[in-house]
Amino acid sequence: GIQVEQSPPDLILQEGANSTLRCNFSDSVNNLQWFHQNPWGQLINLFYIPSGTKQNGRLSATTVATERYSLLYISSSQTTDSGVYFCAVDLGGATNKLIFGTGTLLAVQP
Amino acid sequence: DAMVIQNPRYQVTQFGKPVTLSCSQTLNHNVMYWYQQKSSQAPKLLFHYYDKDFNNEADTPDNFQSRRPNTSFCFLDIRSPGLGDAAMYLCATSSPGGEGGYEQYFGPGTRLTVT
Repeated sequence: GIQVEQSPPDLILQEGANSTLRCNFSDSVNNLQWFHQNPWGQLINLFYIPSGTKQNGRLSATTVATERYSLLYISSSQTTDSGVYFCAVDLGGATNKLIFGTGTLLAVQP
Repeated sequence: DAMVIQNPRYQVTQFGKPVTLSCSQTLNHNVMYWYQQKSSQAPKLLFHYYDKDFNNEADTPDNFQSRRPNTSFCFLDIRSPGLGDAAMYLCATSSPGGEGGYEQYFGPGTRLTVT
């Protein structure tokens, strides 16, 4: 089956720093989503980005489907950005089942 | 606001005692999913409904069942919970081909403890 690997697995930042999280996938995908899982466990939708680049405030994402990777950029990080970031890919078909990546645990220190 | 709601947020059950988790949605999406997330792991799909059609993942234990009585509600039944079933259970919805495209939306989750 498809492998979805994220790097780095863990990241510690000082508040105000920038970071780039990476998601590599081993096969062609139909769609890709980025999520932030907050300390209470809720998965928050960040981006739905099968290809191209999107921006939302301090966050932006780029997916290069032909090269099988996606990047999530966090600029001017804040303590509220802490949590686990997951990418998830959808292989297509009628019901778009998501396969989640391994996750990146981010801690932003004041 | 349209949303995915899960109740309860925290559930404690005894080993072997059946438990039901519920999910409701106001998005009017035709697909509903149940994921299991164990500590420090990624969410893993258990099964999903496309309208009334039930689709089980090959490695989902028989101990897990689901019901979808109507578009808005979906239930996860664990017939005989074991200690290994302690996890966060996440419900999600999507509407492939609809307004939201293929994007999935998640509820806040139910954290299940088995004593």
